[in-house]
Amino acid sequence: KNEVEQSPQNLTAQEGEFITINCSYSVGISALHWLQQHPGGGIVSLFMLSSGKKKHGRLIATINIQEKHSSLHITASHPRDSAVYICAVLREFETSGSRLTFGEGTQLTVNP
Amino acid sequence: DAGVIQSPRHEVTEMGQEVTLRCKPISGHNSLFWYRQTMMRGLELLIYFNNNVPIDDSGMPEDRFSAKMPNASFSTLKIQPSEPRDSAVYFCASSFGLGGAYGYTFGSGTRLTVV
Repeated sequence: KNEVEQSPQNLTAQEGEFITINCSYSVGISALHWLQQHPGGGIVSLFMLSSGKKKHGRLIATINIQEKHSSLHITASHPRDSAVYICAVLREFETSGSRLTFGEGTQLTVNP
Repeated sequence: DAGVIQSPRHEVTEMGQEVTLRCKPISGHNSLFWYRQTMMRGLELLIYFNNNVPIDDSGMPEDRFSAKMPNASFSTLKIQPSEPRDSAVYFCASSFGLGGAYGYTFGSGTRLTVV
C-alpha cells in the first residue's frame, strides 16, 4: 500500500463543474503540498498546508490531520485547469530533516 | 528571481554516453533536491543537499549516477554510462531550510531520452 494515495486517478469534467481531488496518507506528516503539472511542463507548488483550509483564486485546499486526509477543490473549472495534480506529504526524519513523499497524481481533463 | 533553472530542457543521447544535467537553485535557498519522474514510478527523490552537502542519497539508483554541488548556486547530476531505462524527466527543486520545510520551488525539468 502506498503511503500517499490519491483519488481518482483520472477525472474528466465539463467546463464550469466543481471538482474535488482527494489525498489520503498513512504516515505522520508535518505538512502537505498540492502540486500542479501541465503536459510537458514543470511542477508548480499550489499550496502547502498543515491545518485547516487555504484558498487561492478558484482553488481551495483543505486538510484534516486527524483523519489523514486532504482535498483539493476547483470551483468553476476551466479547460486551462487540465493538468496532473499531485499530493505530496512532508515527513520529518531525525537525521536528515524533511522529505517529500508523492502520490501518483490525478490527471484532470476539463472539456469546453 | 528567475526561479530554479535547469539545463538542458531536452537531451537525447545514445546508450553508453555520459549525460550531465545542470541546476541553478533560487538564490538564498540552502536545500536542493534532484527528482526523477517516470510513468511507472512517478516522482522519486534521488538526492538532496543542504548547504552544499549531500544529506540523503539513498534514492540514487546505482553507481552510474552521481551528483555534486560545488557551491550554493550550482548542482549537477551525472549519469555515466547512460542506459535506456534512465529515460525520464529529471527535476531539480530548491527550498530554504533542512529538507524543504518551508516550501519548494521546482525547475522546469530535463527530459532525458536514452536510445
